[in-house]
Amino acid sequence: GENVEQHPSTLSVQEGDSAVIKCTYSDSASNYFPWYKQELGKRPQLIIDIRSNVGEKKDQRIAVTLNKTAKHFSLHITETQPEDSAVYFCAAKMDSSYKLIFGSGTRLLVRP
Amino acid sequence: GAGVSQSPSNKVTEKGKDVELRCDPISGHTALYWYRQSLGQGLEFLIYFQGNSAPDKSGLPSDRFSAERTGGSVSTLTIQRTQQEDSAVYLCASSYTGIQTQYFGPGTRLLVL
Repeated sequence: GENVEQHPSTLSVQEGDSAVIKCTYSDSASNYFPWYKQELGKRPQLIIDIRSNVGEKKDQRIAVTLNKTAKHFSLHITETQPEDSAVYFCAAKMDSSYKLIFGSGTRLLVRP
Repeated sequence: GAGVSQSPSNKVTEKGKDVELRCDPISGHTALYWYRQSLGQGLEFLIYFQGNSAPDKSGLPSDRFSAERTGGSVSTLTIQRTQQEDSAVYLCASSYTGIQTQYFGPGTRLLVL
């Protein structure tokens, strides 16, 4: 079955710097890759997703890139702000499947 | 519109007791998922419901765990004879169909003493 690995487990950056979180997946049939942000004590919320027919997608300060050949995808946050501090989860699944397989999460801390 | 809701938000119970956790999905969403999130960990899939189809129970960790979904809407996750290792946040999510974006509820934080 699908396996998703996420790195790093923790990331500390200075406000204004960029943050990059990387995930690799095992099943080449996976073609949908969402990213969720979970603030302390709150529910995971979808922040961006990408499908395998595109290599990059941007939404303001957030971007996701996908390399299907290497089976990895990354979340990029530019001009980080303290409110970006949270745990970020990547996930993967096939379009035809319902089962999302999550990475283990990255705790991002943005230092003011 | 209203999002996914869960109740209770917190539950403290004694080892050996049974607990019931409730999930109200977004209206019109046919797919419903339960996940478990242990402290500082990722999301562990437990069970999936889609319409009137038989649920996928492949993620349930033991036969003490069961879930049902009545009328294709509200779902209840039941844990019998709770153990301390059951302590976690139990998250529910729903989606319009099984292949669409999942939206999460706020979770139920379960503590087994």
